[in-house]
Amino acid sequence: AQKVTQAQTEISVVEKEDVTLDCVYETRDTTYYLFWYKQPPSGELVFLIRRNSFDEQNEISGRYSWNFQKSTSSFNFTITASQVVDSAVYFCALSESSGNTGKLIFGQGTTLQVKP
Amino acid sequence: DAGVIQSPRHEVTEMGQEVTLRCKPISGHDYLFWYRQTMMRGLELLIYFNNNVPIDDSGMPEDRFSAKMPNASFSTLKIQPSEPRDSAVYFCASSLQWLMDPTGGIYFGEGSWLTVV
Repeated sequence: AQKVTQAQTEISVVEKEDVTLDCVYETRDTTYYLFWYKQPPSGELVFLIRRNSFDEQNEISGRYSWNFQKSTSSFNFTITASQVVDSAVYFCALSESSGNTGKLIFGQGTTLQVKP
Repeated sequence: DAGVIQSPRHEVTEMGQEVTLRCKPISGHDYLFWYRQTMMRGLELLIYFNNNVPIDDSGMPEDRFSAKMPNASFSTLKIQPSEPRDSAVYFCASSLQWLMDPTGGIYFGEGSWLTVV
């Protein structure tokens, strides 16, 4: 069965600190997709990134970076120089490969609080 | 481009009443999803459509829930009769087929916050 574990329930940092959100997944599929979403206090779900299982290249987008390691089944998310606006719940998600099922399996989320 | 549009944003209704949630997906997207978010269960998929055809409704909790997609630009999720345990945030989302969109994701609307009293 597919499963996503975000072991960190809540993280609190001071502005400008770097922070890493952990995500560990389980799947039997050889091809799969991993995602990160941000849910700010206003409630919407904002798509951040999708990573395909056959592409292990790490991704950097501004202050955001993602580290995908198939060997440890992890897809961690790092925010560099955090800002108050980064305060949100962050979800990691996994999808099976058969066509485009869209059946995202979400982790329970990590609440990030960035204090000024 | 406009994102996924949901209505109503907030709904408070009495137990037993019918609730209809509406969704307009992103133009050109051929997949549409209905997700529900609760504190107890987190985010879970209720149903999804491909080219207006329901593909997987295994997440629909029970017969009180139904979803339709009469055309490519409109979908509804109906609860009849509603119960307090249906209180949740209901998200509609859409996407392209991922083979056609190598780095894209599933794009969510702002959600419909439902409270059944």
